[in-house]
Amino acid sequence: DAKTTQPTSMDCAEGRAANLPCNHSTISGNEYVYWYRQIHSQGPQYIIHGLKNNETNEMASLIITEDRKSSTLILPHATLRDTAVYYCIVRGARVGYKLSFGAGTTVTVRA
Amino acid sequence: GAVVSQHPSWVICKSGTSVKIECRSLDFQATTMFWYRQFPKQSLMLMATSNEGSKATYEQGVEKDKFLINHASLTLSTLTVTSAHPEDSSFYICSASPGQGPRQPQHFGDGTRLSIL
Repeated sequence: DAKTTQPTSMDCAEGRAANLPCNHSTISGNEYVYWYRQIHSQGPQYIIHGLKNNETNEMASLIITEDRKSSTLILPHATLRDTAVYYCIVRGARVGYKLSFGAGTTVTVRA
Repeated sequence: GAVVSQHPSWVICKSGTSVKIECRSLDFQATTMFWYRQFPKQSLMLMATSNEGSKATYEQGVEKDKFLINHASLTLSTLTVTSAHPEDSSFYICSASPGQGPRQPQHFGDGTRLSIL
């Protein structure tokens, strides 16, 4: 399956945009980029996903580069409640559409 | 929409006991559900895929006789940890999706924290 690389941790200021990078250089044409987050002691929460176009929903925006080898999750106005581990996952037929979680990025939003 | 519920959220039991965890899709039907396990300070590891009306498929290294999965209806999958021991203590999480394929997000339950004494 296409592996992803994310920074181990990031600090963000409350009220500012948080930009979370992800590299997925071995992604294939029909594989989607998914983002989830996990707040301590809870199940993962779906955030957003995309194939090649940029996507936006009420939680975040997803920017995918033209060559699809990397993407950025943008939380437009980070709040303290956005402190969580964020997972970037490539999902496709190669792995039966299963979700394979890496280590993710631990994001800490500070007041 | 797309709510997944797990029960119980927390269980403590003695070594040797069998423990059943339920995963329900509350507002959709799911032919497939997934079970994960997460140890402290680690990421989620997929244990098995639960298939409605047929046998579950287990990931490499997961003992199917230890972790029994039943998916008897389109809204319920159960995971039974048989003869649980302290090393089985973990956070167990399930997920389900309203549809098949990569465009349908998987939605997760809030997890079950299992502690074996």
